[in-house]
Amino acid sequence: AQKVTQAQTEISVVEKEDVTLDCVYETRDTTYYLFWYKQPPSGELVFLIRRNSFDEQNEISGRYSWNFQKSTSSFNFTITASQVVDSAVYFCALSERTGTASKLTFGTGTRLQVTL
Amino acid sequence: DAGVTQSPTHLIKTRGQQVTLRCSPKSGHDTVSWYQQALGQGPQFIFQYYEEEERQRGNFPDRFSGHQFPNYSSELNVNALLLGDSALYLCASSLGLAANTGELFFGEGSRLTVL
Repeated sequence: AQKVTQAQTEISVVEKEDVTLDCVYETRDTTYYLFWYKQPPSGELVFLIRRNSFDEQNEISGRYSWNFQKSTSSFNFTITASQVVDSAVYFCALSERTGTASKLTFGTGTRLQVTL
Repeated sequence: DAGVTQSPTHLIKTRGQQVTLRCSPKSGHDTVSWYQQALGQGPQFIFQYYEEEERQRGNFPDRFSGHQFPNYSSELNVNALLLGDSALYLCASSLGLAANTGELFFGEGSRLTVL
């Protein structure tokens, strides 16, 4: 069975600090997809990134960057120069090849609080 | 371009009652999935509908049922409500079933409180 672990329940940083959110996953499949979602107080899950298991290149999008390491089954998310608007709950999720894009296994989330 | 819309946004029911939640997918999407998110937890997959049929189901009892209409909108029904059914119910839409079809679009959810 697949599993996603986000060990950090809550992180609090001061604006402009860098912060890394950890994600460790378990799967028996060799082909799978990893996702990060942001959930602001409104409740809607906002898609941030999707990576497939064959693409281990790190990715950067503005202040966001992702580090995917198959050797350690980790898919960590870093926010550089954090801002108050980054405050939200962040979820890492996994979809196996035999499943569908709609059937995601989520971690328990990391609540990020960015203060002035 | 309307995103995923859900109704109602909030509702309160008592134990034993039945509830129906509704979802309209993002324009152009044909697949709808439902997730249950308990307080402080990650969303858990309930089931998925494509071509008006339930295609996959998570570990939820038969009290949870659904339906997809020809216009791709969907309903989630929960019978014999329990206190533990209190949660945020999220609807997500996508195009097709394949895992490589891209991102999932979520609605803002329906928050159900069972007293």
